[in-house]
Amino acid sequence: AQKVTQAQTEISVVEKEDVTLDCVYETRDTTYYLFWYKQPPSGELVFLIRRNSFDEQNEISGRYSWNFQKSTSSFNFTITASQVVDSAVYFCALSEAQGGSEKLVFGKGTKLTVNP
Amino acid sequence: AAGVIQSPRHLIKEKRETATLKCYPIPRHDTVYWYQQGPGQDPQFLISFYEKMQSDKGSIPDRFSAQQFSDYHSELNMSSLELGDSALYFCASSLGRVSGNTIYFGEGSWLTVV
Repeated sequence: AQKVTQAQTEISVVEKEDVTLDCVYETRDTTYYLFWYKQPPSGELVFLIRRNSFDEQNEISGRYSWNFQKSTSSFNFTITASQVVDSAVYFCALSEAQGGSEKLVFGKGTKLTVNP
Repeated sequence: AAGVIQSPRHLIKEKRETATLKCYPIPRHDTVYWYQQGPGQDPQFLISFYEKMQSDKGSIPDRFSAQQFSDYHSELNMSSLELGDSALYFCASSLGRVSGNTIYFGEGSWLTVV
């Protein structure tokens, strides 16, 4: 069964600090997909990144970067030089390729608060 | 770019009433998903449709039903509402019924049952 664990329930940082959000996943599939979504206080879910299990290259997008390590089943998300607008709940999610289901299984989320 | 459109954004219903949520997927997207997010919880998958046919089913109560219409929009019908149904309901869409396709979410419909 697939499972996503985000051990950090809440994180509070001061603006301009770097922060890493952890995500550990469990799956029996060899082909799977990992996602990160941002949920600001307004409630919408904003897609950030999608990564398949065969692509272990790290990715950087502006102040955001992602570190995918299959050896530790982790897909961590780092925000560099955090800003107040980064305050949100961040969800890591998993989708398996087999089994005929394309649904996402989410972690419990990490609430990030960036203080000025 | 056009996003997933959900309506209404907010609604308040009394216990035992019925509510209907509507979802308009991103143009050309043929797969629609419904998720339920309770207060302080992660989104939970309810049901999905591909090409107007139900493609997967999650933890959707028997009191709820959904369908996808010929224009690909979808509706989630909830009857005999209970206090515990109060939640943020997301519709999402993707292109194609392939695992791993990026799923884009709407802004959600806030349902409050009183």
